[in-house]
Amino acid sequence: GESVGLHLPTLSVQEGDNSIINCAYSNSASDYFIWYKQESGKGPQFIIDIRSNMDKRQGQRVTVLLNKTVKHLSLQIAATQPGDSAVYFCAEKDTGNQFYFGTGTSLTVIP
Amino acid sequence: EPEVTQTPSHQVTQMGQEVILRCVPISNHLYFYWYRQILGQKVEFLVSFYNNEISEKSEIFDDQFSVERPDGSNFTLKIRSTKLEDSAMYFCASSVGQHEKLFFGSGTQLSVL
Repeated sequence: GESVGLHLPTLSVQEGDNSIINCAYSNSASDYFIWYKQESGKGPQFIIDIRSNMDKRQGQRVTVLLNKTVKHLSLQIAATQPGDSAVYFCAEKDTGNQFYFGTGTSLTVIP
Repeated sequence: EPEVTQTPSHQVTQMGQEVILRCVPISNHLYFYWYRQILGQKVEFLVSFYNNEISEKSEIFDDQFSVERPDGSNFTLKIRSTKLEDSAMYFCASSVGQHEKLFFGSGTQLSVL
């Protein structure tokens, strides 16, 4: 099956700094990717998505970068705030019906 | 903002009992999903549902599991005879289209004793 994994299980950043969360995927047929944020006791919350015909997409304070050559996805959070503390998952999808989720990176923002 | 709602938020049951987890997807969405997350592990796909039938299911979704859309708003997951290893957080999700982002509910924490 597909393998979606994260390079680092935990990340601590100072408030105001930028955060970068990385994700590797193994299925070269994957063409749609999503970053989700999950706070304790809650469901995954959509942050930003990107399709394989793009290599960069920006949202409010977040940027997703996709490198299809090395099958790598990253999430950049600008000016990280305490409210950004959560577990971040990448998810990938090919032409099938299911998303494959990574194990998550726990981001802690230090005030 | 429209959201996926799930009930109950917590469900405790005895091994061997049947449970039904309920979900109300976002009203204009056409694709519905169940995922689960065992504590500390990744979110795992169970089943997708479209046009009143299962479109894809995982190995986890064995004969003990079933889904139903009994009316125009509800989407349920039934586990006929729960096992200890069914203890997990179960998330319902919906999307407008097959290749669109999923919106998740807050989950039902199922504990099988």
